[in-house]
Amino acid sequence: EVQLVESGGDVVQPGGSLRLSCAASGFIFSTNWMSWVRQLPGKGLEWVANIKEDGSEKGYVDSVKGRFTISRDNAKDSVYLQMNNLRAEDTAVYYCARDYMVHGYSYGHFDHWGQGTLVTVSS
Amino acid sequence: DIQMTQSPSTLSASVGDRVTITCRASQSITRWLAWYQQKPGKAPKLLISDASNLEDGVPSRFSGSGSGTEFTLTISSLQPDDFATYHCQQYKDSRTFGQGTKVELK
Repeated sequence: EVQLVESGGDVVQPGGSLRLSCAASGFIFSTNWMSWVRQLPGKGLEWVANIKEDGSEKGYVDSVKGRFTISRDNAKDSVYLQMNNLRAEDTAVYYCARDYMVHGYSYGHFDHWGQGTLVTVSS
Repeated sequence: DIQMTQSPSTLSASVGDRVTITCRASQSITRWLAWYQQKPGKAPKLLISDASNLEDGVPSRFSGSGSGTEFTLTISSLQPDDFATYHCQQYKDSRTFGQGTKVELK
């Protein structure tokens, strides 16, 4: 059974930093693109970042470019999101999600999600 | 950027009703569209990909249709377990979601 477990959410002041982690199990982690998706309070979903199987390619939504960094450790079956210079508008539940892949190709949607971790940016 | 617009934002319905949710893209996404179901406090669950491809284990009362810029999710006979929020997502160019449609009890 595929499992994704996020951790690291917390309350942080504007301008602060936080590192989210996602531990994966139940599948061959090193063969999957992985993503972070967030959900603002009472609102819709927003894709934040993704990372290729070997970490050689990364993508970000414009609003976090230069502030957030996605990384992964395939030896630990884990993906991370380093968030710097946090803003109030980054307040959200952050989900780790597995990209839907067929024959080594990532289609761009998500077939498994974690339960999320809450990040609150407030003074 | 491709914008996704869902309608309605909220839909009130009864058990047994036929329910249709619309998702419109700001430009053509051919059929690169997914639908998710999300219950309060839970993660989204993938229902449909490629506009009409039902995921394994998803009840056949769910169906998706459309191409280009207009898509629909239909629940043929609403069941108690279907009261939830539904999200569409395009993956033609990057990834963007609609704002969600809440299906509530009338």
